[in-house]
Amino acid sequence: EAGVAQSPRYKIIEKRQSVAFWCNPISGHATLYWYQQILGQGPKLLIQFQNNGVVDDSQLPKDRFSAERLKGVDSTLKIQPAKLEDSAVYLCASSLRTGGNEQFFGPGTRLTVL
Amino acid sequence: GDSVTQMEGPVTLSEEACLTINCTYTATGYPSLFWYVQYPGEGLQLLLKATKADDKGSNKGFEATYRKETTSFHLEKGSVQVSDSAVYFCALSASNYQLIWGAGTKLIIKP
Repeated sequence: EAGVAQSPRYKIIEKRQSVAFWCNPISGHATLYWYQQILGQGPKLLIQFQNNGVVDDSQLPKDRFSAERLKGVDSTLKIQPAKLEDSAVYLCASSLRTGGNEQFFGPGTRLTVL
Repeated sequence: GDSVTQMEGPVTLSEEACLTINCTYTATGYPSLFWYVQYPGEGLQLLLKATKADDKGSNKGFEATYRKETTSFHLEKGSVQVSDSAVYFCALSASNYQLIWGAGTKLIIKP
């Protein structure tokens, strides 16, 4: 069974530029999560999808971050414009459904904003 | 609100030493508790979990027991290996089923 795929693995941009990350969850997983992990901290949930609907985006900085999962499968997270403090690893995870099921994580995208 | 506190790292041990990484939590209700591991360059992987009080999760020689009376879920291993070097995260499943994470503990095992 293929795991959660993410791309790119690394990205370096300058502040005020835009960037997009892609995630393909495990086949059949209805729930998809985007996390931000700053160095030395635990992951912080940015947004949770159930199929193609948003379950929770309360911690997503909506003035600069956006995410979509149009067909209920893969998802894109965008930052526009980026700030220095956005430097972090962006993790995508998926689970069969919500409700305490195990979350499976991709390798992450390491973003450096200069 | 719900929270997880785990011991700060790095924790440095020699091979075959005993390991304990402390984790305590604050939560309403009866959360499920998890340990995730992040090996260098890889994504987070579920190591073990426990869903109710007194449950013991175990995997790859690691164990953790859900202690409701002390609100703890300490990770233990009797004899660590160099390959256990990684960052370990304690987490709980909150009332809305989202994961609340600790800050992580980096473990370094020296041969």
